Amino acid sequence: DAGVIQSPRHEVTEMGQEVTLRCKPISGHDYLFWYRQTMMRGLELLIYFNNNVPIDDSGMPEDRFSAKMPNASFSTLKIQPSEPRDSAVYFCASRSSGFTDTQYFGPGTRLTVL
Amino acid sequence: SQKIEQNSEALNIQEGKTATLTCNYTNYSPAYLQWYRQDPGRGPVFLLLIRENEKEKRKERLKVTFDTTLKQSLFHITASQPADSATYLCALPKAAGNKLTFGGGTRVLVKP
Repeated sequence: DAGVIQSPRHEVTEMGQEVTLRCKPISGHDYLFWYRQTMMRGLELLIYFNNNVPIDDSGMPEDRFSAKMPNASFSTLKIQPSEPRDSAVYFCASRSSGFTDTQYFGPGTRLTVL
Repeated sequence: SQKIEQNSEALNIQEGKTATLTCNYTNYSPAYLQWYRQDPGRGPVFLLLIRENEKEKRKERLKVTFDTTLKQSLFHITASQPADSATYLCALPKAAGNKLTFGGGTRVLVKP
C-alpha cells in the first residue's frame, strides 16, 4: 500500500492566488481529514469527510477555504484567495471505520504564500 | 473547553537513558489516548493506543501509562537511541464525533 498521497509537496504562491492541494487516501478508508500545522497553533483539524460527505467543517478558518471529495479516492482543499497567514503545512489523513480512530497521515504540503 | 498540554520544551537525553514525556488533559473523559511520532518534513505516524481501562501498554522499547484520575498519560522511551529523535504528540478523541485533538508535541533529541 502506498499510504496517503498528497500533492504538491511544496507550493509557493503569491498573495491573492488560488491554491489547490490534493489528497489520495488509503484504499478502503472511509474517513478523510484535512489538517493544518503551524508552530504557533500546532496541528488543527480543518474538515473531515465520511464516505465522501463533509461531516464537520467547523475548523475551516474562513470562506476562502473550501474542500471537496468527489469520490472515495480523491479530495481537494482549495484556498482562494490565498493570504500570507495561510502559510503552513497541510496534512491529509485517512482511516477506516472502527473504534480507535487511528489515523494515517500523508507527507503534507508545505504552503508558502508571499 | 477540552485542552491538551504537552511540554513544549525540547527534551535532550543521552543515548541509553529513558526519556519520559507527559500529556495532560482537562475537561475530557476520553475512552482512549493515542501517541504519534512526527519526524521533520513528515506526517505524524501512529505508535500506541491505550484505553481508559488500561493502566499500561508496551511496544518494544515504548511504554505508555494512562491515569484517568490525574488526567495524564506518560510516554517512556527506554534505552533511547539517536533514531528516536523526533517530536511526539498525544491525541485524544473529541467528546462527540470522530475527531482527534492533538497536543502541541514534545521534541526529543537523543545524543550519542
